Amino acid sequence: EVQLVESGGGLVQPGGSLRLSCAASGFTFSSFEMNWVRQAPGKGLEWVSYISSSGGIIYYADSVKGRFTISRDNAKNSLDLQMNSLRVEDTATYYCVRQGDTEAFDYWGQGILVTVSS
Amino acid sequence: FELTQPPSVSVSPGQTASITCAGDKLGDKYACWYQQKPGQSPVLVIYEDNKRPSGIPERFSGSNSGNTATLTISGTQAMDEADYYCQAWDSSYVGFGGGTKLTVL
Repeated sequence: EVQLVESGGGLVQPGGSLRLSCAASGFTFSSFEMNWVRQAPGKGLEWVSYISSSGGIIYYADSVKGRFTISRDNAKNSLDLQMNSLRVEDTATYYCVRQGDTEAFDYWGQGILVTVSS
Repeated sequence: FELTQPPSVSVSPGQTASITCAGDKLGDKYACWYQQKPGQSPVLVIYEDNKRPSGIPERFSGSNSGNTATLTISGTQAMDEADYYCQAWDSSYVGFGGGTKLTVL
């Protein structure tokens, strides 16, 4: 069974940093592209970042470029998102998402809440 | 890369619901659709315009042509009441529609 479990969320002040992690199991992690998607309270889905299966190709949404860094450790079956210079508008539930062979996001974690507030 | 959905759609039980997603030359890309119920993570219901993942009922179908992708739910059931999001890749960027709240009444 595919499982994606996020951790590392919480409350942080504006300008602060936070590192999210996602533990993957139930599939060959090194064979799949991964993404982070977020959802502000009561709002829609917003794609944040993509990383290829090897980690050699990375994309970011304009809203987080230069502040967030995605990375992965295929030996540990883990995906990370380092978030710096956090803003109030980064407050959201962050989802770790597997990308299937077809470009679709086929498995989603349960999500982790990040709150940026003073 | 902007995808536009109607904020809400209403349908009577047993009838057909259609949710549209508009974007520039969307028909040249693959569209996907996700269902999200309150307090839950999104679930993929349609990929590559019109394919259903295993476990998704046959009443869910999709199409994509020109600038519009459409999710169709035939014989809508109360359990289909949820938010629905379209999504597509545009080069190095992923776009999501703003979401459509489907009400079954």
